[in-house]
Parts: sequence; structure tokens; C-alpha cells
Amino acid sequence: DAGITQSPRHKVTETGTPVTLRCHQTENHRYMYWYRQDPGHGLRLIHYSYGVKDTDKGEVSDGYSVSRSKTEDFLLTLESATSSQTSVYFCAISESDRAGYTFGSGTRLTVV
Amino acid sequence: AQTVTQSQPEMSVQEAETVTLSCTYDTSESDYYLFWYKQPPSRQMILVIRQEAYKQQNATENRFSVNFQKAAKSFSLKISDSQLGDAAMYFCAYRTNYGGSQGNLIFGKGTKLSVKP
Repeated sequence: DAGITQSPRHKVTETGTPVTLRCHQTENHRYMYWYRQDPGHGLRLIHYSYGVKDTDKGEVSDGYSVSRSKTEDFLLTLESATSSQTSVYFCAISESDRAGYTFGSGTRLTVV
Repeated sequence: AQTVTQSQPEMSVQEAETVTLSCTYDTSESDYYLFWYKQPPSRQMILVIRQEAYKQQNATENRFSVNFQKAAKSFSLKISDSQLGDAAMYFCAYRTNYGGSQGNLIFGKGTKLSVKP
């Protein structure tokens, strides 16, 4: 009954390659978010979506793009991965812009 | 812009004892939400407790309670009767109630809690 799933759970990629992370929800929530988690920084917002095809940048959006063509899917793309993008990436969903979040289980991405 | 500060990077507590994790925030708004999330080694982010700023009463969830001091912009988490399973990273987070593009969760950097048997 996860309601939100992220794939893959782990990924190792080489510098310069494109990478796409997927977030899938079954809750029909309007809001979806991508955060990255790094030691000493907590969670920082990369991009978010407030509806199909409606997205906006967060605090650390450089080097990332997103797409949301369906309510249930929110994709995060690293066009050309760099070592500084090694991190744990979390997707989250929210029923409204005032409700709490439900998080996915995270994707650990390593760029070598 | 709002900020959330957790001044204790690490804390330790003896099993069955009580521990308090600190969180302060900076905002000019009067209506907002505050959250505590727990992240165990499994990496899953789990909502522990939620406080609405306009409510005077401190939120409580079983062994977890908060001390919400709105004027001081302080939101501490108290864990009573600590258990080994409470060992985790704890994040404090803020969210405006005015919604829109400002309505994203803002996190502190976290406090790592260890529980000693």
C-alpha cells in the first residue's frame, strides 16, 4: 500500500551520461516534489509539480529537468550527470499545497 | 525566506529515558505548519508529528510530543520512554499555510539520534 514508488532504488552511472529517475503515485495527488538529501544539508527541493505539465524550480534546480505528462508520474532527468549530483533523491506527494508530504523510499544515485 | 535550524547535529539518549530535540525557525508569517520527520537507517521518511501554528495546544502522538513556542519560533520534539527503534535522523520542517509556490516543505539539516541500551 505504498502509494508512491521510486525507481530505481539504486543506480551507478558515469559522468556525462543522462539519467532519469521515476516517481509513480497511485494516490491521485496533485502535488509532486523532487528533493535531494546530502549530509549536512538536509533535504533540498529540486523541482516540484502542481499539476500535469505544471512544474517549477526549487532551490537546487541547476542541472536537472522534470516532466509530468500524467498525474501519476513525475520524472527527474539529469541531462549530463556530474559527481556533484551523487546523492539520495526523494520523491514526495501532497494532496494540497497545505498538507503534509508522503515520501517515496528514495533513490541512491552515484555518479563516478 | 523561511529557514529552519536544528542546532544539534547529534544526540544520544539512554533507553527508557526522555530526550528533547531542538528546532527553531524564522518566518514573518502567522499561519503555517510544522512537522517532525523520522528517517531510520532504512532511509524511509516517516511523519512523526504535525503542528498547526494557530493551534495553542501542543501536538502529541503516543510517546512523541512537541513544545511549540510561537513567539520564540521554537518547535522542539520530546521523545519519552526512548526505544531502540527511535534511533534515526530526525528532521524538522516548515510549511506555509498560504499555499502556492511558497507552500513547499523547508527542512532543517537534521539531528541524528542514537539510543543506548
